[in-house]
This record gives sequence, structure tokens and C-alpha cells, in this order.
Amino acid sequence: GAVVSQHPSRVICKSGTSVKIECRSLDFQATTMFWYRQFPKKSLMLMATSNEGSKATYEQGVEKDKFLINHASLTLSTLTVTSAHPEDSSFYICSASLALNTEAFFGQGTRLTVV
Amino acid sequence: DAKTTQPNSMESNEEEPVHLPCNHSTISGTDYIHWYRQLPSQGPEYVIHGLTSNVNNRMASLAIAEDRKSSTLILHRATLRDAAVYYCILITGNQFYFGTGTSLTVIP
Repeated sequence: GAVVSQHPSRVICKSGTSVKIECRSLDFQATTMFWYRQFPKKSLMLMATSNEGSKATYEQGVEKDKFLINHASLTLSTLTVTSAHPEDSSFYICSASLALNTEAFFGQGTRLTVV
Repeated sequence: DAKTTQPNSMESNEEEPVHLPCNHSTISGTDYIHWYRQLPSQGPEYVIHGLTSNVNNRMASLAIAEDRKSSTLILHRATLRDAAVYYCILITGNQFYFGTGTSLTVIP
């Protein structure tokens, strides 16, 4: 089946630095990808919709200047956490689907720890 | 915003069937009912989805109420590997708004 891959799986960065997370659709083209974050023992929260060739759509309360999303090709979306702070430490997950209303494929997630 | 309600947790004995309920009383005619499960420190995994009719696949069955205001995920024989958080989600399009899910514990 279709596969979505994230890289890195875990990253530790210093406070104030930026971190880039990649999300790739390995065997299909995805015009739309989605980014979520998940705090421990909590559910996934949709952060933004990444659109190939255009600006991302952010959910209410998500700072677009802090969480930069780039979807430059049909198989790659990137999320950059800028000027990271300890409160940005979380599990970040991306997803994509082959078509509307069909099965979603999720990446394995990226554990970000800001120290 | 999540439009589903599920019990926070459930337990099942190994090799017995499990029925995981989900209420979605505000479902619209175009909402699909999706189920995913998530193991610790992993991304969610697709289980099953449907619109109006009951669905079966190799992993589970999905029973959808006639009025579509509730559904039940059925695991026919629970194994220890089925221990996970199960999310019932309504979607139109491709955006998923996760609720709190049900944490399933499988007892050996």
C-alpha cells in the first residue's frame, strides 16, 4: 500500500534554533498533505493543510510564521519549526491520501525535543 | 473540531471479540466514518472506513447504525498487538479532526 515517510524520526535541538521535518509520499503523488502535533497522552491536533504549489492553510491558533510549511513538489512537504522553544517539544505527524474521503496514510512521526 | 464521542478506555480478553462504540449524532450526509488506531510513539494506522453500509476487511468490521448517528468497530479476535488507542473520525474531504479516542487494553 501507499507509504508516507517522515524524517527525522526524532530530533533534539537547542532553544532558539530552527528544525525542519520532511514528509514524503513514497509511491504516490499528494497535492495535499496535513500536519498534526500530539502532546503526551493527548490526541492529534491538526495544525495545517499543506498544498502543493500554494500557501498552506493553518488552523486557528497555529502561528504560520513559527511553523513554516513548504510543499514544493507532489511528493514532499516540509514543516520548519522556527526559533524553537521547549514548549514546542511535541510529536509531529504528517498524513496524505490518494483521494478525497479515502484512507489516510500517516508518517511514523517526529519526536521533537527542544532543550 | 472533533464530532465524535468514544469511551476513554476499554478492556478485552485475548482472543475474544471487541466492540468499540462511537457516537456521532451530528453527522452530515457527506461525512465518512473512519477508524484509525495508534500505537505509542507511532503515527496512526488505518483500520476501516464506511459511509452507510457495514464494511468488512481483514482487520475488522464496521457496523453503522441505520440513522448513521453511531457506529461500532468490531475486532473479531483481539490479540495483544491490537492494544492501541482507537480513533473514530468523521471526514468530508481529507481533513481529520481527532477526538480523544478509546484506549484498548488486551488482557492475556
